[in-house]
Amino acid sequence: EAGVAQSPRYKIIEKRQSVAFWCNPISGHATLYWYQQILGQGPKLLIQFQNNGVVDDSQLPKDRFSAERLKGVDSTLKIQPAKLEDSAVYLCASSLDRNTEAFFGQGTRLTVV
Amino acid sequence: AQSVTQPDIHITVSEGASLELRCNYSYGATPYLFWYVQSPGQGLQLLLKYFSGDTLVQGIKGFEAEFKRSQSSFNLRKPSVHWSDAAEYFCAGVSGTYKYIFGTGTRLKVLA
Repeated sequence: EAGVAQSPRYKIIEKRQSVAFWCNPISGHATLYWYQQILGQGPKLLIQFQNNGVVDDSQLPKDRFSAERLKGVDSTLKIQPAKLEDSAVYLCASSLDRNTEAFFGQGTRLTVV
Repeated sequence: AQSVTQPDIHITVSEGASLELRCNYSYGATPYLFWYVQSPGQGLQLLLKYFSGDTLVQGIKGFEAEFKRSQSSFNLRKPSVHWSDAAEYFCAGVSGTYKYIFGTGTRLKVLA
C-alpha cells in the first residue's frame, strides 16, 4: 500500500516570497491533516480536512496560510508571504476516518532566509 | 484544556538496557492514544495505539505501552534497547473532537 506522498522534500525561499506544498494521502482516507513541526518541538496541527471540508483550522495563520483539498483527495498548503518564523517541517498525514490512526508523509523542510 | 505531556525532553540509555518513556494526558474522557517515532529527516511512524480494551498494547519493533486511567498515563516501554532505537518519540491523543494533540517529544540516545 502506498504511503502519504509529499513534495517537495526541501524548499529554500526568501522572506516575503510564496511557496506551496503538495500532499497525496493514502487512497480511501477521508481525513487529511497538515502539521507544522518547528525544530525541537512536537507537530502542531494547522488544518484538518474531512473529505473536502475543513474540520479544524483554528491554528492556521489565515493572513498568510491557506490550504485546500479539492475533490477530497490531494491537498495543497500555501504560504504567502513567508516569514522567517515559518521555517519548519510541514507534515501531511491522513487517516481512514477522524478517530483512527494517522499515517504521515516524510514532510517538506522549508527554510526561509 | 486538552493536552499531552512528555516530561522528559532527553533520555540516554545503554544498549541492552530497558526503556520507559513517560506520557501523561489531560482529557475530559479517555482519548485514543498513540506513540510515534521519528528518525532524523523522516516523518512519523506509528509504533502502537490504544483505543479501548486491554490496557497493555503491543506495537512494532518490540515496544509496548500501558494505559493507566488512574494515573492518566500511557508510558512506552521496551525491555532491551537497540542502537537503532535512537530517535525522537512522540505521544499523541485524539479526543472526542477528533483533534490530534502531540506531546513535545522525548529524544532517545543509545550508548554503545
